[in-house]
This record gives sequence, C-alpha cells and structure tokens, in this order.
Amino acid sequence: NAGVTQTPKFRILKIGQSMTLQCTQDMNHNYMYWYRQDPGMGLKLIYYSVGAGITDKGEVPNGYNVSRSTTEDFPLRLELAAPSQTSVYFCASSYYRRIAGLKTYEQYFGPGTRLTVT
Amino acid sequence: AQTVTQSQPEMSVQEAETVTLSCTYDTSENNYYLFWYKQPPSRQMILVIRQEAYKQQNATENRFSVNFQKAAKSFSLKISDSQLGDTAMYFCAFMADYGGSQGNLIFGKGTKLSVKP
Repeated sequence: NAGVTQTPKFRILKIGQSMTLQCTQDMNHNYMYWYRQDPGMGLKLIYYSVGAGITDKGEVPNGYNVSRSTTEDFPLRLELAAPSQTSVYFCASSYYRRIAGLKTYEQYFGPGTRLTVT
Repeated sequence: AQTVTQSQPEMSVQEAETVTLSCTYDTSENNYYLFWYKQPPSRQMILVIRQEAYKQQNATENRFSVNFQKAAKSFSLKISDSQLGDTAMYFCAFMADYGGSQGNLIFGKGTKLSVKP
C-alpha cells in the first residue's frame, strides 16, 4: 500500500492564480480530510468527507473547494490564491471500526504540500 | 466545542534522559480518543501513541507512555531514554467518538522538543 499520497510537494503561486492539490489513498478509507498548518501552529481542518459524494466544511474553509467523486481521491481546489493561503497542506484518511465490541480508530497523513503565494 | 492546549511551546532534554510533555483538553463528551503525533523536520505526521477514553489503563508504546487523567482532562506524554531522533514537534490531538461516527481531530499548537547530545 502507498498509503496517502499528495501532489505536488511544493508549489509557488502568484496572487489570483488557481490550482488543485491532489490527494489519493489506497486503503479504502471512508473518511478523508484536508488540513493546513501555518508556521508554529497545529493543524486546522479545511474540509472533510465521510464518503464518496459527501463533503463538509471544517474550521477554515474560506477560499477552498473540494469534491469527492471516488473513495480514493479528494482534491482540494484554490480558486483565487491569496498570500494568507501560504501554508503547508496535509491530506489524511481514516478508518473507524468496531471489532468484537472494541472500537479502534487511526488517521493516516500524507507527506504534505508546501504552498507559497506571492 | 472541544479545545486542546499544550502549554509548553519548547522543551529540551539530554540524550538518554526522560521528558514529559503536557496536554490538557476541554470537552463535554464522554467518549473520545486522544493522540500524540510527532512531526520531524521532514514534516511527516507520525502517530506516536493513542488512548481510548474508555480504557483506564495508560497506553504505552516502547519508550513512549501517557498519563491519562480523565477527570482532570489531562493527557501527558512521557518519553524515556530520549534519543536524538526524538527531536521534533509533538502535537496532542483529540477526537470525539459519537458511537457510529467520529468527530474530527482537534490539534494543540505543539511542543518543540530538542534532544541534546
């Protein structure tokens, strides 16, 4: 399994440009997430999805859009890039299972995309 | 709303010694998970340890252990026999368990740990 993969690893955008950050997971997880991490801070949730065709806003959704047409892919779209969107972006996927009455949960992260908007 | 607080922005420890990182959280939920993630300079988020709130026993993973105090809403991470490779940012995170579904991960701001030779 490749786990969670993200492309690109680095990108520089000019103000007003658009781009899509790609995220793919091969673990058949229902849940997928996009986070951003600003310098010296923890991760903040942008959008999440509980399954194909279902997405919802997180804590900081403004300026972003997502879609989830398949279980595997969860792209993040920036339509009009702004300097405030300079950050490191992480995609993640997770499973939540009950086995023999016991619950277990784990979230897997991609390697991140460093985006600079100038 | 749930919150996670890490009150130590930076810490340092000598190699082979023990260090404890603090984390407190606030929630009205009774069922939840707590996590410690490690983020080395490579940026990769690595799960260090996980604690289910319904378990009274503290989780351990090799040199890493937690002190989970549910009533006090405290979840500290102890690293024993610190190694140079433990140098990283450490994030405490909370996730509510709603029975048939899960909440989202709520992260603290992190503690930067430096292990000195």
